[in-house]
Amino acid sequence: AQKVTQAQTEISVVEKEDVTLDCVYETRDTTYYLFWYKQPPSGELVFLIRRNSFDEQNEISGRYSWNFQKSTSSFNFTITASQVVDSAVYFCALSKGSGTYKYIFGTGTRLKVLA
Amino acid sequence: DGGITQSPKYLFRKEGQNVTLSCEQNLNHDAMYWYRQDPGQGLRLIYYSQIVNDFQKGDIAEGYSVSREKKESFPLTVTSAQKNPTAFYLCASSSLAGAETQYFGPGTRLLVL
Repeated sequence: AQKVTQAQTEISVVEKEDVTLDCVYETRDTTYYLFWYKQPPSGELVFLIRRNSFDEQNEISGRYSWNFQKSTSSFNFTITASQVVDSAVYFCALSKGSGTYKYIFGTGTRLKVLA
Repeated sequence: DGGITQSPKYLFRKEGQNVTLSCEQNLNHDAMYWYRQDPGQGLRLIYYSQIVNDFQKGDIAEGYSVSREKKESFPLTVTSAQKNPTAFYLCASSSLAGAETQYFGPGTRLLVL
């Protein structure tokens, strides 16, 4: 069965601190996709990144970076020099590579960045 | 601007009443989805549609119904059979069903009076 675990329910940091959000997944598929979404207080889910199971390169986009490690089934998300605007709920999700429609979402991590 | 719109933003339901949530997209996406989000929980799939006039049940379809008469539109009806409808409802779409990235609308918050 597929599963996504975000063990950190809530994290609070002070502005300019770095913070890492953990995501651990379970799947028996060899081809799959991993996603991160941000849900600000307005409620809409904002797409951040998609990574396929064959690409283990880490990715950096501005203050955001992602560390994908198949050996530990983890896809962690780091925000460098956090800002108040980063305060949101962050969701990790898993999808099969083909023939399916379904995302498996984690329960989310609420990040509070304090000024 | 391309995107997904949901209306209304807030919706109130009386006991025994059916209510319909609207979802429209102008992204020319084939697939559309409805999710339910409860406080402190992840998203759960209610229904999805890969093409017009076709839709499939998700994990929690009981008490809900949908239609897909147009590519752009995928309305969700919360029926009186849904005993605990208070939640945040999110609509999404993707270019192809499956692993293609899903893009989400702003959501509708449903409350029971």
